[in-house]
Amino acid sequence: AQKITQTQPGMFVQEKEAVTLDCTYDTSDPSYGLFWYKQPSSGEMIFLIYQGSYDQQNATEGRYSLNFQKARKSANLVISASQLGDSAMYFCAMREGRERNTPLVFGKGTRLSVIA
Amino acid sequence: GAVVSQHPSWVICKSGTSVKIECRSLDFQATTMFWYRQFPKQSLMLMATSNEGSKATYEQGVEKDKFLINHASLTLSTLTVTSAHPEDSSFYICSARESGRLGYEQYFGPGTRLTVT
Repeated sequence: AQKITQTQPGMFVQEKEAVTLDCTYDTSDPSYGLFWYKQPSSGEMIFLIYQGSYDQQNATEGRYSLNFQKARKSANLVISASQLGDSAMYFCAMREGRERNTPLVFGKGTRLSVIA
Repeated sequence: GAVVSQHPSWVICKSGTSVKIECRSLDFQATTMFWYRQFPKQSLMLMATSNEGSKATYEQGVEKDKFLINHASLTLSTLTVTSAHPEDSSFYICSARESGRLGYEQYFGPGTRLTVT
């Protein structure tokens, strides 16, 4: 079974509008972390935001916020006031457990295109 | 934030030759490093977990004799693609976590684009 599911292969958003990128996850471990990364065409992985499974509040980082719904096992990324530079691939990822040698597992990604 | 470098950033090699990719943590020590492979328009797939001073742990379906990983120090892990074939052409990305430090951060290298002709 897939650990991370991103159901939107591609999304379009008008510049200055907000957009939500969906992510659902599957784990039986009570301790886990959820990540969002941006990957522009250059290929580098840019960390955007993190949510721990025990965090009470939804994470926010500037224009990025994470809509964490634990019971639904969803961790949607919300980008407010979209900019042309936000056009990129976006990956949701999860790390299960507390061990330091546990890797991140990635979803298939969503390609976001911001339109002027 | 912490920096992870990769060398080379891109490489073209002939079929049958071997290619070595280096991954370095520049300002921190990393007991564990991870190697991912990304085919065009696809996600990052974990190939192996590299542990300093011990053998790497490979994911199912990844040939350990073809993708040799050596993690000889706390700041360097290498991936050698042996007897490369065109189907090995891909984007290889390494990642690392800082040893002995609490926190969730995982740092990624800029990636190495391998083309096998």
